Amino acid sequence: NAGVTQTPKFQVLKTGQSMTLQCAQDMNHEYMSWYRQDPGMGLRLIHYSVGAGITDQGEVPNGYNVSRSTTEDFPLRLLSAAPSQTSVYFCATQAGSSGNTIYFGEGSWLTVV
Amino acid sequence: SQQGEEDPQALSIQEGENATMNCSYKTSINNLQWYRQNSGRGLVHLILIRSNEREKHSGRLRVTLDTSKKSSSLLITASRAADTASYFCATGTQGGSEKLVFGKGTKLTVNP
Repeated sequence: NAGVTQTPKFQVLKTGQSMTLQCAQDMNHEYMSWYRQDPGMGLRLIHYSVGAGITDQGEVPNGYNVSRSTTEDFPLRLLSAAPSQTSVYFCATQAGSSGNTIYFGEGSWLTVV
Repeated sequence: SQQGEEDPQALSIQEGENATMNCSYKTSINNLQWYRQNSGRGLVHLILIRSNEREKHSGRLRVTLDTSKKSSSLLITASRAADTASYFCATGTQGGSEKLVFGKGTKLTVNP
C-alpha cells in the first residue's frame, strides 16, 4: 500500500539547472498539492490541483510549474533552480474536499548550490 | 503569509505529563486541523475540527476551537517519549481543505 510516493528523496542541483520532483498516489484522490517547508516557516503551498487537467497557484508559485495529466501523478518542475529554492518539498493528496484527511509524502530534500 | 501561529514554539515535558499547544489564526475558517511531524518525515494528520464544533477527542488527544478568539488548542494527555515531534495547526478556508495554511509549529520533546 504505497500511498503517496515522492522521488527523489534527496537532490543537489546547481543554480540554473532544471529538474522535476515526482509525486504519485495510488489512492485515487482528486486533490493533490505541493508544499515547501523551510526552517522556521512551516509549510507553504506552492501549487495545487483539484483534478486531472486542473491546476492552480498557491502562496509561493514563482519558479515552479505543475501539470496534472492523470489522477495519479502531480509532478513539480523547477524551471531554473535558485539557492532560495533549497527546501524540503512535500506532496499531499486528499479525497474530495472540505475536511477529508490529507496524506503527505515523505518529502524531497533539495539543495541548490 | 502564515495564518496559524502555534504557541509555544518549543515545549519540553516529562513522560506522563500533559502537553498543551495553542494555535491562533487571523481570518475566518472552515476547519482547523492538527498534524504531527517526526524529524525527517512527512506530516501525519491527527485531528480535524470544523468551525461549528467546539471540542473533539481522539484517544489521548483533545482539540478545542474558539472561533470568537480565533484560537485552538491541542492537548496530549499522559505524554510518552514517542510523542516527541513537531505539531502544526493548519486552517482550511474556501469551503475545502485543499488550500491549507500551516503555522510554524510547536516542537514537543517528551523526556523519559
